[in-house]
Amino acid sequence: EPEVTQTPSHQVTQMGQEVILRCVPISNHLYFYWYRQILGQKVEFLVSFYNNEISEKSEIFDDQFSVERPDGSNFTLKIRSTKLEDSAMYFCASSQGATGEAFFGQGTRLTVV
Amino acid sequence: QKEVEQNSGPLSVPEGAIASLNCTYSDRVSQSFFWYRQYSGKSPELIMSIYSNGDKEDGRFTAQLNKASQYVSLLIRDSQPSDSATYLCAVKPQLGYSTLTFGKGTMLLVSP
Repeated sequence: EPEVTQTPSHQVTQMGQEVILRCVPISNHLYFYWYRQILGQKVEFLVSFYNNEISEKSEIFDDQFSVERPDGSNFTLKIRSTKLEDSAMYFCASSQGATGEAFFGQGTRLTVV
Repeated sequence: QKEVEQNSGPLSVPEGAIASLNCTYSDRVSQSFFWYRQYSGKSPELIMSIYSNGDKEDGRFTAQLNKASQYVSLLIRDSQPSDSATYLCAVKPQLGYSTLTFGKGTMLLVSP
């Protein structure tokens, strides 16, 4: 069964460092997303990506964040200068259409120290 | 601000019972509704989607939608200990927007 895959599963980084989280969405899906979940809190939307550009973004997704689809399969989230409060589980998701079901990857746990 | 509200629980039910999980949403023009299951430390796993008023059944799961009351529910029949998890209600807003707004989730505990 097709699935969304994310790497790495866990990343520890020092405050101020750049991190890149990687995702391979389901192959025939057209919409790609990043969500995050701070420990004990709800899943929050960061950004959606369609047709090689950002279609929506939340207030969380400020200038420190960027997304890219560098090739036909990968979808990346870059955080330029990490802060302690960026520590969270980051989930990539994809869906076939805008209103359809979104499937989540297993997540990357980001710890900023 | 679009809100999705759920009782945080825990909801405790004995094995074999029916578990009823509820969710309300604030954005009246919401179009698509989803239930995800999340085990501790894991990612959300899609269980059900529902788009129109009424009931939708899939195995032991039934999703119910009432757009007039802005209310979505999930029934789990013959609950099993393996159903113990946090159940997340998620809503997609109006047509043309693809993002999900999640509730905080309801923790379900099924005791053997």
